[in-house]
Amino acid sequence: LAKTTQPISMDSYEGQEVNITCSHNNIATNDYITWYQQFPSQGPRFIIQGYKTKVTNEVASLFIPADRKSSTLSLPRVSLSDTAVYYCLVGGHGGGFKTIFGAGTRLFVKA
Amino acid sequence: KAGVTQTPRYLIKTRGQQVTLSCSPISGHRSVSWYQQTPGQGLQFLFEYFSETQRNKGNFPGRFSGRQFSNSRSEMNVSTLELGDSALYLCASSPEGGSLRETQYFGPGTRLLVL
Repeated sequence: LAKTTQPISMDSYEGQEVNITCSHNNIATNDYITWYQQFPSQGPRFIIQGYKTKVTNEVASLFIPADRKSSTLSLPRVSLSDTAVYYCLVGGHGGGFKTIFGAGTRLFVKA
Repeated sequence: KAGVTQTPRYLIKTRGQQVTLSCSPISGHRSVSWYQQTPGQGLQFLFEYFSETQRNKGNFPGRFSGRQFSNSRSEMNVSTLELGDSALYLCASSPEGGSLRETQYFGPGTRLLVL
């Protein structure tokens, strides 16, 4: 499983765009990149997943460069309710889950 | 569909006791994973079950065990509780658990406090 590195924390203000970058230098050819969001005392929640280039859904965008050694989660116009921990996961092999979450990025959105 | 449910939501035990936590996956999901979350260690993978068989295991001592029933419901057991076992225990389900391409759906967790 590829190891990931993310910033420990980030601060932002309401209405701003937030970009969180994750490094995964040893990503394998068949690995996918998945981001989860976790609020305090709740389980993580899926945000977005991608393999290459750009993926967008109603919540976020995910940018993946050609070498796939990093990825950037983009949250447009954040609100106070986006204050959470964001985890980047890399994997894609068969044989079930043996998920490594890493420390995640704690995003704090201020008014 | 109903989400992943976990019972109980809160639990207080004393050192040396044992505890059993329960998880009901989303209907139709066959893979159930368990995680331990603590402030110091973060989210750590315990084990994954699929079709009543443990398919993957994290780096936890043998005091941590689990099982899955034919209806995909799962239980995890911690024996001889230690203070360091105090944590939020999360269960996640997915349709097949075949790869990380599948989304895992997490339950609200069971908060265990060991005194």
